[in-house]
Amino acid sequence: QQPVQSPQAVILREGEDAVINCSSSKALYSVHWYRQKHGEAPVFLMILLKGGEQKGHEKISASFNEKKQQSSLYLTASQLSYSGTYFCGTEIGRGSGAGSYQLTFGKGTKLSVIP
Amino acid sequence: DTAVSQTPKYLVTQMGNDKSIKCEQNLGHDTMYWYKQDSKKFLKIMFSYNNKELIINETVPNRFSPKSPDKAHLNLHINSLELGDSAVYFCASSRWGAVQYFGPGTRLTVT
Repeated sequence: QQPVQSPQAVILREGEDAVINCSSSKALYSVHWYRQKHGEAPVFLMILLKGGEQKGHEKISASFNEKKQQSSLYLTASQLSYSGTYFCGTEIGRGSGAGSYQLTFGKGTKLSVIP
Repeated sequence: DTAVSQTPKYLVTQMGNDKSIKCEQNLGHDTMYWYKQDSKKFLKIMFSYNNKELIINETVPNRFSPKSPDKAHLNLHINSLELGDSAVYFCASSRWGAVQYFGPGTRLTVT
């Protein structure tokens, strides 16, 4: 089942902060975050495994609330280069065979950073 | 060195034609995927192969047939193309349970 992302779109001025949420109705094994710029491929940002850990990548960090089946992506002191569409991909479990895990992506959050 | 490559980058064809998209990865991964991204940017898994074995086969028309000649290659053949097949098709690869790396995409336009 497709995770729900919010907001659908957000406009920020350089230096402002933003939070993007990703919610699932199913128990999650992991959450993956990707950023896609216009006309390019999605690029991996970070992965969070169940356990409520928080990860960071420069000024971008994320958390995973296992009880709520929700992950949040935090962008602080936004830069122009942060513009793009952010996708969360959720994994609800591992299959019986190696390599059988499957990501279901949300509809994306379009982030625009303006000067 | 390109990690995941796809050819062609652009593909314009007429309805009813048959076309193929090729994907190669040089990351040593054992799992490869095909995704379809429509005009609304929705990214949907189509197929997944692990060690040349089909693992995920989502509900896609049987006009779409993936083929994996070896672990480093996953091709997508599409028969009798329809207008609704127009989209960007992304190939991706990963090690089991790990991060997926996407290719640059193939923009397919069916006229």
